[in-house]
Amino acid sequence: DTEVTQTPKHLVMGMTNKKSLKCEQHMGHRAMYWYKQKAKKPPELMFVYSYEKLSINESVPSRFSPECPNSSLLNLHLHALQPEDSALYLCASSQGSTGARTWGYTFGSGTRLTVV
Amino acid sequence: ILNVEQSPQSLHVQEGDSTNFTCSFPSSNFYALHWYRWETAKSPEALFVMTLNGDEKKKGRISATLNTKEGYSYLYIKGSQPEDSATYLCASPGGSQGNLIFGKGTKLSVKP
Repeated sequence: DTEVTQTPKHLVMGMTNKKSLKCEQHMGHRAMYWYKQKAKKPPELMFVYSYEKLSINESVPSRFSPECPNSSLLNLHLHALQPEDSALYLCASSQGSTGARTWGYTFGSGTRLTVV
Repeated sequence: ILNVEQSPQSLHVQEGDSTNFTCSFPSSNFYALHWYRWETAKSPEALFVMTLNGDEKKKGRISATLNTKEGYSYLYIKGSQPEDSATYLCASPGGSQGNLIFGKGTKLSVKP
């Protein structure tokens, strides 16, 4: 299995809702990432998990809460989001966090989130 | 923070045209340069990882070159086909743990 699977592909949520995004990989990768991308902007790093521990949080608001229950699964819990949080949320994995330098990432296809 | 720039932002070509676009990055402390191809509604797909100055890599009709001294990489597509239509992203490791910093991408549209 050489894929990163993200669910759901599309999500519409209200500002008072709680929802979760899911990301799964079975390649034995030990680093997993959440990126956010808005139109005509580069993907921006939100969180890095290395060996199931949060190693980078790029000053992301607390309404985004990441979780890594095991080495294959990464969740992003969403609560009280704002319309400006509407974006494409990409998950990626790599062979260890420093391995990303040499081998890059394997990406999921993203979750298109709309906050209404 | 490392800054990765791509140009042009978008490109429209006719089928059969050859085209190229640019990725610029800081030349100091260079480690690697990654190219990805990203079709709409799909996952970004790795094309090339380039590490050595003067490196040239090829995959079918797509090739890339690297100049680490002046901080740029070119991606070339020879004889563009409609299936080449995608956004081409470049990225370089710039974070504290080797995480990739991305450019905005070049969106290529190839008309039949």
